Amino acid sequence: NAGVTQTPKFRVLKTGQSMTLLCAQDMNHEYMYWYRQDPGMGLRLIHYSVGEGTTAKGEVPDGYNVSRLKKQNFLLGLESAAPSQTSVYFCASSYHNQPQHFGDGTRLSIL
Amino acid sequence: AQTVTQSQPEMSVQEAETVTLSCTYDTSENNYYLFWYKQPPSRQMILVIRQEAYKQQNATENRFSVNFQKAAKSFSLKISDSQLGDTAMYFCAFMKVQGAQKLVFGQGTRLTINP
Repeated sequence: NAGVTQTPKFRVLKTGQSMTLLCAQDMNHEYMYWYRQDPGMGLRLIHYSVGEGTTAKGEVPDGYNVSRLKKQNFLLGLESAAPSQTSVYFCASSYHNQPQHFGDGTRLSIL
Repeated sequence: AQTVTQSQPEMSVQEAETVTLSCTYDTSENNYYLFWYKQPPSRQMILVIRQEAYKQQNATENRFSVNFQKAAKSFSLKISDSQLGDTAMYFCAFMKVQGAQKLVFGQGTRLTINP
């Protein structure tokens, strides 16, 4: 029972490079989310999806794009990485009105 | 917009003691959920307890219980008989019942249980 799996777990990028973070869930959840966690702050919502083929902006969407082509996958893209995007990224998924299940996080450093 | 405030950045207690973590929130919603999540050094986000706003009875899960005061918009977490494994960051979070089910987190409280 894998739950929510994030790939990769750790990555270092140079400013201006692009990359995609992958989130996969095997619980048939409708809702999926991407958060970032910075020191001294709680998690902040970047983008979310309420179903396959749908996405919406969260609290801090600038500099990120997302796609949900398959129900079980939610991809987070950085088109041109900036040092301000250095953070720990968490993916989560849930059913309606149920607690969110989180992945183990991806530590991303932008040099 | 909803906001969640945790006013205690750090707390430290001795093993077996009882500790209470504070959380206040601001919302105009009447129906919502409140959560406490634990984040140990492993970085995992682990659900500790959940409270539904329409339920007056405070939620409990073994050694963990909450004091939910809806009128005061307060949601504190009490950990009884604290254990070394309770050492972690604790986050309070709010979620509306209606809409896209987005979590709004507080800043977190770093709890250390000393032997």
